[in-house]
Amino acid sequence: GAVVSQHPSRVICKSGTSVKIECRSLDFQATTMFWYRQFPKQSLMLMATSNEGSKATYEQGVEKDKFLINHASLTLSTLTVTSAHPEDSSFYICSARGGTSSGNTIYFGEGSWLTVV
Amino acid sequence: QKEVEQDPGPLSVPEGAIVSLNCTYSNSAFQYFMWYRQYSRKGPELLMYTYSSGNKEDGRFTAQVDKSSKYISLFIRDSQPSDSATYLCAMSLKAAGNKLTFGGGTRVLVKP
Repeated sequence: GAVVSQHPSRVICKSGTSVKIECRSLDFQATTMFWYRQFPKQSLMLMATSNEGSKATYEQGVEKDKFLINHASLTLSTLTVTSAHPEDSSFYICSARGGTSSGNTIYFGEGSWLTVV
Repeated sequence: QKEVEQDPGPLSVPEGAIVSLNCTYSNSAFQYFMWYRQYSRKGPELLMYTYSSGNKEDGRFTAQVDKSSKYISLFIRDSQPSDSATYLCAMSLKAAGNKLTFGGGTRVLVKP
């Protein structure tokens, strides 16, 4: 199946700093990628939809200025958590829609653990 | 009421048993239905993908969709300890750009 790669898989940062997480589609082009957040023992919460070449669409309650999303190419979307605070510590997961050869289905990355200290 | 309801479990079964998972939903416009498996501290892995009502089989996995009842199921035959994970159902609207709505996930434990 299609492969989506996330980097880094784990990151620790100091409170007040910014951290960038990358999401790459390795064997297909993804015009749309999605960013989720998952708290322990809870389901995935959609944060935003990332569209190549245009602004991301954020879900209600998600701060656009805090979670910056850039989808500069058909294989890369980035999530930047700005001025991170301990409450931003979470598991962040991206997904991308595979092309026709992949059944137009959604594939997920391995996730990125963010710990803000 | 959540759009997609899923029993959180945990569901504990002996090795070799059939695991039966299900989700109910309220939005009759959902047309694409998926099941994902998520191991602890990992991203979800796509197991099954179905469109509209009917059954689909892939190895030990069978997915069923009953749109009239707004009910989907996943069956795992000959369960193995390696099947122990959280199983998430997800669904999307045809015109939603594949924006997924997830159930809360069911924890499954297959005991050797």
